[in-house]
Amino acid sequence: NAGVTQTPKFQVLKTGQSMTLQCAQDMNHEYMSWYRQDPGMGLRLIHYSVGAGITDQGEVPNGYNVSRSTTEDFPLRLLSAAPSQTSVYFCASSPRGEISYEQYFGPGTRLTVT
Amino acid sequence: GENVEQHPSTLSVQEGDSAVIKCTYSDSASNYFPWYKQELGKGPQLIIDIRSNVGEKKDQRIAVTLNKTAKHFSLHITETQPEDSAVYFCAASFNDYKLSFGAGTTVTVRA
Repeated sequence: NAGVTQTPKFQVLKTGQSMTLQCAQDMNHEYMSWYRQDPGMGLRLIHYSVGAGITDQGEVPNGYNVSRSTTEDFPLRLLSAAPSQTSVYFCASSPRGEISYEQYFGPGTRLTVT
Repeated sequence: GENVEQHPSTLSVQEGDSAVIKCTYSDSASNYFPWYKQELGKGPQLIIDIRSNVGEKKDQRIAVTLNKTAKHFSLHITETQPEDSAVYFCAASFNDYKLSFGAGTTVTVRA
């Protein structure tokens, strides 16, 4: 199993550009989440999904969109990049709670917006 | 929403000594408290977790304690080793998949 994969690893955008961060998991997990990590602030939940076709907002959803058309994929879209979105982005997946509660994180995408 | 505070932000210990990290949470409905370890350049990885019907849990050199009345929980690492150097995050949740994280503690183990 590859686990949770994220692409790209690094990205530089100009203010106003749009892009999609890719996330895929091969563990057949129902739950998937996107977090951003900023210095001194821990990880903050952006959006999450409890299954294909179901998404919901987390703590900091503004400026981001998600969709979940398959169990495996959970892309994060930046609609119009802003310098405040400079961060490291992590995707995570987890199985239903009856099996385990562990969230498995991808390696992260480091995004810089100039 | 849930608010998790974590202390200290940095911790330096001598190899072989113990390390303790403390967290408090605000939402009394939270019932799941995991701890994640993040090594440089990698995503966080679960090291131990505890549910609210348990007061203490141990796994080799690491242990977690929970005081639901006071709304705080702690991570204890005994006999620290250089490979324990990392950033540690506590988190709290009432539904398993929607975690609220603390700000993190950078642990440095001095040889």
